[in-house]
Amino acid sequence: DVKVTQSSRYLVKRTGEKVFLECVQDMDHENMFWYRQDPGLGLRLIYFSYDVKMKEKGDIPEGYSVSREKKERFSLILESASTNQTSMYLCASVTPAPNTEAFFGQGTRLTVV
Amino acid sequence: DQQVKQNSPSLSVQEGRISILNCDYTNSMFDYFLWYKKYPAEGPTFLISISSIKDKNEDGRFTVFLNKSAKHLSLHIVPSQPGDSAVYFCAATRIQGAQKLVFGQGTRLTINP
Repeated sequence: DVKVTQSSRYLVKRTGEKVFLECVQDMDHENMFWYRQDPGLGLRLIYFSYDVKMKEKGDIPEGYSVSREKKERFSLILESASTNQTSMYLCASVTPAPNTEAFFGQGTRLTVV
Repeated sequence: DQQVKQNSPSLSVQEGRISILNCDYTNSMFDYFLWYKKYPAEGPTFLISISSIKDKNEDGRFTVFLNKSAKHLSLHIVPSQPGDSAVYFCAATRIQGAQKLVFGQGTRLTINP
């Protein structure tokens, strides 16, 4: 069974803290993505990676960075957490074309206080 | 610039009737479309997809229709069941390239008994 696992379901961090969100997939996929979900805005792409050590900015990369040292692991880093980064964060691992399908982790609800 | 739009934030349907969720896109380069279902505090789960070479795809109670000239797709659920109550996201991508999925804002579907 396909599995994408995010390290935490719920996190509470203080403003200014450095925050690490971890995601691991067991499907040997090359493409992995980080999204955030906010009410009324849908899922917005923060960063994605199409191979180890390869990364590209998505639509809202400001305030975030990523790391992909191993194929199965894709980490999202909030360099200095701010209250406007309070959100649901979703990691996805994507099957190769032509039958593209994204498998999501369970999500991390991050609250920055 | 919202490339994928779901203009109905919410929809309420009687149990047993048909639910129709709509989605519009602006980027004519998109050639693959997907629907996801999301319960609170969980990651989205894949429902059904359609390639731009087709205009209809069916899987059990779920059917997706694609109108390329109108840049419009819809998801039909029939008959609707209480367990279908969730937020539904449509997504679009290009088969070639990084396969970034661009999501709409979501529609909250409520099935009433």
